[in-house]
This record gives sequence, C-alpha cells and structure tokens, in this order.
Amino acid sequence: QITLKESGPMLVKPTQTLTLTCRFSGFSLYTSGVGVGWIRQPPGKALEWLAFIYWDDDKRYSPSLGARLTITKDTSRREVVLTVSTVGPADTATYYCAHQYSIRDAFDFWGPGAMVTVSS
Amino acid sequence: DIQMTQSPSTLSASIGDRVTITCRASQDVDTWLAWYQQKPGKAPKLLIYKASTLEGGVPSRFSGSGSGTKFTLTISSLQPDDFATYYCQQYENFPYAFGQGTQLDFK
Repeated sequence: QITLKESGPMLVKPTQTLTLTCRFSGFSLYTSGVGVGWIRQPPGKALEWLAFIYWDDDKRYSPSLGARLTITKDTSRREVVLTVSTVGPADTATYYCAHQYSIRDAFDFWGPGAMVTVSS
Repeated sequence: DIQMTQSPSTLSASIGDRVTITCRASQDVDTWLAWYQQKPGKAPKLLIYKASTLEGGVPSRFSGSGSGTKFTLTISSLQPDDFATYYCQQYENFPYAFGQGTQLDFK
C-alpha cells in the first residue's frame, strides 16, 4: 500500500526559505522509473506543478519558479525534500507530494497536503 | 511550455445527467493526459490516465477520450459523489501542466 505524507512549517515569514519533507512508504526510489513530484495549490486556485525527482536523481523544475526550487531525495530514509527560497505571499498554498510509477506516468498516489502560509 | 485549457470553468448539472468536460493542450501531447477529481480539502484523485484508461476502482460511468490536443472527460450518469472539481494534466514532457479546473456543481 503506497502512502505519502507532507510535513513542514505552517507559517513562514517573507524572504525566508521554506523546507517541506515528503515521507513515503509502499514503494522505493531504488526502483527504476519511479519518481516523486511536488504540486501546490493556492487557496481557491488551480493545481500548479513545481518539481520532480526520479529514482536516478534526475530532477526537473517549473520554469516559472526558476532557481527558487530545490528537490532532493534520501532514498534509504524514504524521503523527498523540496525547498523554496525567498518566499512571498504568493507562495501561500497547500503543497502536495505525489508518486509516479514509471517514466511518463500520471500521479497515482498523493499525500494529504500541507498548508503553508507566508506572512510576517 | 505546454499550456492546458479546460472548458467550461463551471458546470451545473443534476443527478443522472451526462456531462462532458473538455481539455485542450497548446501542443500535441499524444495521449499522455490524465484526469483528476478533487473534493474540498482533499488531495486530487487520479481517475483516468493515458487519456482513456480508467484507474483501478474508478466507476465505469467515467470515461476519457482524445489524443493530440483535444481531450474529453465524460460522466455518463451523474451521481451525488461526483460533484467536485476536475483537472486535466499533461505528462508528455516537462514542465508538467494542469488545466485551470472545472467545478461541477449541483443545478
């Protein structure tokens, strides 16, 4: 049974760096083809894809957030970490991590989400 | 980058209705297209992948079709549990992209 769960601060001040952790079970990032992505959703708005990491450490990022995003993995600990630097009010959102079974696949399992508010 | 556009943005319907939501891609995505259902306060749920393949456990009243740049999600007979927001997503290449969503509410 695949599960994912996001964790991180609920409140972050503007200009700070936001660090979110996705802890998962039921699959391994040692397995060829498997990946984990991050998606966010501002209150009342649409889903926005942010970043993705493959089992082989190949990483992809949303061009709109540019160098503000960093995604890493700790395969043995079954964790994927997303950092968002220099946050502002527009980064207020629910952040989701999600599992991808193989290359070119949909997100079949999602975490429940972590709500983050950026405010001073 | 590929942009995804859904229509309509809001759809009002009744129990038993047949409803169709359209998703258009700004470039050819072949059939690398997924549909998700999201209810308030919950994570999205995968309904359909590869444009027309039903995810396990999803009721057969849901169906998807299309290829290239135009796709549709059809619910053959609306049930109370189907009132939610629906998103399409292309995964043909990075950056992945979602549509802006279609909110399906009760007429």
